[in-house]
Amino acid sequence: QKEVEQNSGPLSVPEGAIASLNCTYSDRGSQSFFWYRQYSGKSPELIMFIYSNGDKEDGRFTAQLNKASQYVSLLIRDSQPSDSATYLCAVNQGGGATNKLIFGTGTLLAVQP
Amino acid sequence: EAGVVQSPRYKIIEKKQPVAFWCNPISGHNTLYWYLQNLGQGPELLIRYENEEAVDDSQLPKDRFSAERLKGVDSTLKIQPAELGDSAVYLCASSPPSSNEQFFGPGTRLTVL
Repeated sequence: QKEVEQNSGPLSVPEGAIASLNCTYSDRGSQSFFWYRQYSGKSPELIMFIYSNGDKEDGRFTAQLNKASQYVSLLIRDSQPSDSATYLCAVNQGGGATNKLIFGTGTLLAVQP
Repeated sequence: EAGVVQSPRYKIIEKKQPVAFWCNPISGHNTLYWYLQNLGQGPELLIRYENEEAVDDSQLPKDRFSAERLKGVDSTLKIQPAELGDSAVYLCASSPPSSNEQFFGPGTRLTVL
C-alpha cells in the first residue's frame, strides 16, 4: 500500500462544475495535509492546507479532512479552464512537528470549456 | 517577496560527468529541502536541512549524491558521477520556522545522456 494514494486521472469536468479530488493516506499519526497545484512543466504551488477534521474553505477551494477514514479531499467550485493542472496531495509523516511530507502521484484535472 | 531561487533551470550532461544545483530559499526560511521529481510522480525528498544541519538525509544516495548548506542559507546539491537514471527535475523548497508549509522553487531539469 502506498503511503499517499491518489487517482491519477485524468478527471474531466465541464467549466463551471465542481471538481472533486480525493486522497487517502496510511499513516494514522499524520496531522498536516496539503494540496499543491502543478501546471505542466512548472513546480508545485501550495494552494490549501488543513490540520483539523472538517472543512476549510478558501475562495473557490474547499479542503475536507476525515482522519478516522484517513481521507482528504479538495473541492474546486466553478471550475475554470485555468484550473487544469495536476493536483498533488501531501501528508506529513510521523505526526508532531515533523516537516517530512509524503506526496501522492497527483491527479490530472482537465476542465473543458 | 522573492520566492525560492534555483539555478540552473536546465542542464544536459553526459553520463559519468559531475553536476551541481544551487538553491537560495525564501528570506527567513530556516528549513530547506531538496526533492527529486520524475515524470508522472510526486516529489520525493532527498534531504532536509534545519539551518545548516542535515536532519533527514535517509533518502539521499550517498554514493553519488552530496549536499551542503554551509551558512544556513543557500544550498548546493551535487551528483558525481551522474547516471542515466538521474534524469529528473530537482526541486528545492523552503519553510519558515515552526511551519510545515513548503514553498517550491522552479526546479532544475536534468538530462543525462
